[in-house]
Amino acid sequence: EAGVTQSPTHLIKTRGQQATLRCSPISGHTSVYWYQQALGLGLQFLLWYDEGEERNRGNFPPRFSGRQFPNYSSELNVNALELEDSALYLCASSKPALAVETQYFGPGTRLLVL
Amino acid sequence: GNSVTQMEGPVTLSEEAFLTINCTYTATGYPSLFWYVQYPGEGLQLLLKATKADDKGSNKGFEATYRKETTSFHLEKGSVQVSDSAVYFCALLYGGATNKLIFGTGTLLAVQP
Repeated sequence: EAGVTQSPTHLIKTRGQQATLRCSPISGHTSVYWYQQALGLGLQFLLWYDEGEERNRGNFPPRFSGRQFPNYSSELNVNALELEDSALYLCASSKPALAVETQYFGPGTRLLVL
Repeated sequence: GNSVTQMEGPVTLSEEAFLTINCTYTATGYPSLFWYVQYPGEGLQLLLKATKADDKGSNKGFEATYRKETTSFHLEKGSVQVSDSAVYFCALLYGGATNKLIFGTGTLLAVQP
């Protein structure tokens, strides 16, 4: 069974630009989660999508946004990039979140903002 | 609020040594508890989990027991290998409307031959 996949693996942008990160969940998983792993800040929850809807959002500004497509894949968009957005962005997926379900992570997209 | 506290690293051990990484949590109710591992340059891999008090999660020689009375979920392994060198994250999760993992800060383990 294929795991969670993310693209691109690395992304280099300059301040003020926009970044788009992509995630494909494990087959049969309808929930997708985004986390940010910034140096010195640990892993922080960003967004949760389920069945195409945003279900929960972490403490991040509105320039962090995303969506989930009918095939359950997801995009994370970061607008007006700032230097501190440089981080590893991890996507995770789980089965329908009717109960506590284990989240499985992808390899991440490393975003560098210059 | 809900939080996870892990022992600070790095933890440096010789091969075949005994490993303990402490993890305690603060939470209302009964969250599920997880250990994830991150090898150099990679994403997170689920190592083990426990969903209720007194459950023991185990995988690849690692074990952790969900202790409600001490709000702890310490990770142990009897004999570490060089290949176990990685960052280990303890995390808790509630289902329902929140459904987000809350992570500890991570503990770097370095195993020397």
